[in-house]
Amino acid sequence: GESVGLHLPTLSVQEGDNSIINCAYSNSASDYFIWYKQESGKGPQFIIDIRSNMDKRQGQRVTVLLNKTVKHLSLQIAATQPGDSAVYFCAENRNSASKIIFGSGTRLSIRP
Amino acid sequence: NAGVTQTPKFQVLKTGQSMTLQCAQDMNHEYMSWYRQDPGMGLRLIHYSVGAGITDQGEVPNGYNVSRSTTEDFPLRLLSAAPSQTSVYFCASSYGQFSYEQYFGPGTRLTVT
Repeated sequence: GESVGLHLPTLSVQEGDNSIINCAYSNSASDYFIWYKQESGKGPQFIIDIRSNMDKRQGQRVTVLLNKTVKHLSLQIAATQPGDSAVYFCAENRNSASKIIFGSGTRLSIRP
Repeated sequence: NAGVTQTPKFQVLKTGQSMTLQCAQDMNHEYMSWYRQDPGMGLRLIHYSVGAGITDQGEVPNGYNVSRSTTEDFPLRLLSAAPSQTSVYFCASSYGQFSYEQYFGPGTRLTVT
């Protein structure tokens, strides 16, 4: 079936560098895409979302880019810090806000 | 505010036993949902509710029941536990049906032997 997936399961980044986490999706009917951060032993935490009629949205140190042509979503984290170590999930809602479908996640680790 | 609370934190069941996972929120959120997370996987939606008295199925509803008699509480019932239901269960809530900023509870780790 259709799914939200991720290109890489792990990403290692030098502290202070920018991180880019990628996500591919296949359902062109999705209205919103959401990024979550999950630290070890905790529930996911909302980071940022983007509507399907936008191609970029910025938050505090984070930017989400949406390329509908190739059905690709990315999360950019500026000046990566040790506290950014976590698993990052992209998620989509399909036609209804009630069903938010998660991808499998990318683990971000930070090198000192 | 306590946010979203879940009990218990850990539970071990034998195959065939039933139990209820509790979820409560004190933010007056209309929308609540249950997810399960298997090792190395994303979260899969089990059931959700857009308000008191209204529930609907998610991606993987089989073997689970829910009810929403109050805005605050959204319990998840396992009818007859199976080893395939071994997972971490997360409850989440958000302000409304069209709010994507979901607040997640700390999770319940369930093992079925």
